[in-house]
This record gives sequence, structure tokens and C-alpha cells, in this order.
Amino acid sequence: AQKITQTQPGMFVQEKEAVTLDCTYDTSDQSYGLFWYKQPSSGEMIFLIYQGSYDEQNATEGRYSLNFQKARKSANLVISASQLGDSAMYFCAMRHMFSGGYNKLIFGAGTRLAVHP
Amino acid sequence: EAGVAQSPRYKIIEKRQSVAFWCNPISGHATLYWYQQILGQGPKLLIQFQNNGVVDDSQLPKDRFSAERLKGVDSTLKIQPAKLEDSAVYLCASRSPGRRRDYEQYFGPGTRLTVT
Repeated sequence: AQKITQTQPGMFVQEKEAVTLDCTYDTSDQSYGLFWYKQPSSGEMIFLIYQGSYDEQNATEGRYSLNFQKARKSANLVISASQLGDSAMYFCAMRHMFSGGYNKLIFGAGTRLAVHP
Repeated sequence: EAGVAQSPRYKIIEKRQSVAFWCNPISGHATLYWYQQILGQGPKLLIQFQNNGVVDDSQLPKDRFSAERLKGVDSTLKIQPAKLEDSAVYLCASRSPGRRRDYEQYFGPGTRLTVT
């Protein structure tokens, strides 16, 4: 069965420092994708970064990078130079393809990040 | 480009009452999703539409939840009768298949339901 595990319920970081949010996954799919979403207190889910299972390079999007270690089934999010506005819930999700060629996302429980000045 | 629209943003009802949520996806997005997000948890997929057909409703409590997507555009999710454990944020998302980046789902602001 497909599963996403985020073991850090909460993290805090000082402004301008880097932080790593952990994500491990379990899947029997040969092809899959991994996402990170940010959810501020306002509630909307904001896409941050995507990594395909066959991508050889780790994904980067501005201050966000995804440390993808396929053999270890981990997809950790690294936020560099943290800002106060980064305080939010962060969700790791996995794209799972099911019958008919359709895709759905399976989410982890999330990590709450607090950035301190 | 307009985002995913949802209404209402907030709803408070008593248990055993009924409630309906509305979602209008991004124009041209064929795939529409409804998620339930209980406080402190990640979103859980309830139902997925491809155009106006259901492709996955395996986690939808069909004895009380129903959803439809007439004409393959906007969608409604209904709960009847509501239970206390239905208190959650209901998120709608849409996606357009195509280039790799379009695996990304675009989420609406959500409807926060409180059942008392």
C-alpha cells in the first residue's frame, strides 16, 4: 500500500537559517512522483516542488530543494534562508497511478514549521 | 487565470442536518478532486472526477456523502445527515493532464465545516 510518513510534527528554525523537513514513502509503483505543499493558516494548499521518480537531478525551485534518495525512499524538503513567512504546515504527498491510468495524491500528516526572528 | 473557487468558506450546522459545498475548478481542467482534511491531519481524497464521470470514490462514505459534477465543470459535495466527525476542511482541487508539471493539483481555499 502507498504511504507517506512525516515523523516531525513540529520544527522551528531561526530566520535566515536552513531547515530540512523529513518525508519517507512506501510504494510498489515503478513510476511515481513526490510533491511538497505549504499550507498557511489561511488554509490554501500552495504547491512548492515536484520530483519524478525517474528524475536524475534533485528538484529545485528558488529557496526550495528536494533531497531525493530513491534507495532510502526519502524525499526531504530543504528550505534555505528561512523567512518569517515560511511559518506554516508543510505536507509531503505522493502521486499514485491507479487503474485506468488515473492519478491521485496521498498525503502525509504534515510538519508544522515555525520560523523565529 | 482565475483559481479554484469554493463556497461557502465557513459553515456551522447541527448534527443530523444536511450541507452542500460548491466548487468551480480552473477553466479547462478535466480532473476535479474533493478532499477532507481533519484538523491536524493531511488531506484525504474523497472523490475524483474525470470530466463528469467518477474515477475514484473508494474513500467516500456513501451512506451520507454524495457528489456530482454535472456538465464536467463545477461540482457539489453533499453531506446528509452530518455527524460530529464530519467537522473538517473540505478542499476542492483541479488538474489538467499534459506536461509533467501538470501533475500539480491546484487547490481552492477550502470550506471549513463545524458540526455541533
